[in-house]
Amino acid sequence: GQQLNQSPQSMFIQEGEDVSMNCTSSSIFNTWLWYKQEPGEGPVLLIALYKAGELTSNGRLTAQFGITRKDSFLNISASIPSDVGIYFCAGPPYNAGNMLTFGGGTRLMVKP
Amino acid sequence: DAGITQSPRHKVTETGTPVTLRCHQTENHRYMYWYRQDPGHGLRLIHYSYGVKDTDKGEVSDGYSVSRSKTEDFLLTLESATSSQTSVYFCATKQVSGEQYFGPGTRLTVT
Repeated sequence: GQQLNQSPQSMFIQEGEDVSMNCTSSSIFNTWLWYKQEPGEGPVLLIALYKAGELTSNGRLTAQFGITRKDSFLNISASIPSDVGIYFCAGPPYNAGNMLTFGGGTRLMVKP
Repeated sequence: DAGITQSPRHKVTETGTPVTLRCHQTENHRYMYWYRQDPGHGLRLIHYSYGVKDTDKGEVSDGYSVSRSKTEDFLLTLESATSSQTSVYFCATKQVSGEQYFGPGTRLTVT
């Protein structure tokens, strides 16, 4: 199936640092979704993006829908220990709008 | 919170036994999904439903069947569990706007 390339695969940062991760595809996406998953839990939707160029914030999180519609970025400012988890990008391919393709995830570790 | 519950949350079963996992939603969403999550493979779609009695296969459907007799319930059945089906299973529903919301997961171990 279609792949979303998510990078970096993991990050180990100091509390207070800013974090940036991205997701790229060879195909166009009409929606980009960013999820966070904590151990033992299901993925939780953080931000949804619907238009190319869109920039949306949710607290310390900011995500952007790339202008080419083939990429998206998630930034976390001033990280805190509870930001620890795995962050996934996802989107419905243009020819399969009712299904999601997921990135491989970015594992974030925060050192207090 | 999309009002999704999954049962059981944990199950250990023996190879060859049938297993049914249940997903229940309270939001009246039309679309429901079953995924499995394994290290190195991320989330993979098993089956999905686009309405009562309407289902379709996903990426990894072999060895699984599903049923949806009511809007709120989506069942995943392993007719004869195998060790390769040891995994964490997530149910999800989709809003009209396209976002999918996930349940808390079921950890299944097949011995």
